[in-house]
Amino acid sequence: KQEVTQIPAALSVPEGENLVLNCSFTDSAIYNLQWFRQDPGKGLTSLLLIQSSQREQTSGRLNASLDKSSGRSTLYIAASQPGDSATYLCAVNSGGGADGLTFGKGTHLIIQP
Amino acid sequence: DAMVIQNPRYQVTQFGKPVTLSCSQTLNHNVMYWYQQKSSQAPKLLFHYYDKDFNNEADTPDNFQSRRPNTSFCFLDIRSPGLGDAAMYLCATSRDGGASAVRETQYFGPGTRLLVL
Repeated sequence: KQEVTQIPAALSVPEGENLVLNCSFTDSAIYNLQWFRQDPGKGLTSLLLIQSSQREQTSGRLNASLDKSSGRSTLYIAASQPGDSATYLCAVNSGGGADGLTFGKGTHLIIQP
Repeated sequence: DAMVIQNPRYQVTQFGKPVTLSCSQTLNHNVMYWYQQKSSQAPKLLFHYYDKDFNNEADTPDNFQSRRPNTSFCFLDIRSPGLGDAAMYLCATSRDGGASAVRETQYFGPGTRLLVL
């Protein structure tokens, strides 16, 4: 059974810093990996999706990497801003294109102004 | 804007009283999912529909049922809610049919927060 772990559970950094969020998964046979953002009491917003054949994806100040063989992914946030404060969730699709996702518990990120 | 809509945003029900949560989408996606997220926990997949085909997760309690009358709508029925069913319920969609990031990305609605008294 796939398990996803995110470290750290919480992180607080000053505005402007670059930071890295970590995600690990137990079964390397994944179809894709997706990073989401969740604001308090809200739904999930998709940030980046990395297919199993890819090593990284970039969107603006965000860069996600995938090392499938070691079961790890990182989300790099450059030049952090207070508006980046949210919970960041990592999720893997282990079965195929239409299968559901297995989520980690997330990293609660606070960017101090 | 194309989107995933969930109604109501907040639902209060009584212990044991059936409740239905609604999800609709304007994305014309063929796959729809229901996830349960308890406080400070990871979202957990309950079931999903691939077109009209229903796929139940092995550990989803029988108390949870779902209906998908057409492409746009999907309902989550909780037959006899217990205190442990209080959670945020998230609906998501995706378009399957080809290996691309656009097709594989799951899009989530704002969620319905369920409170059981």
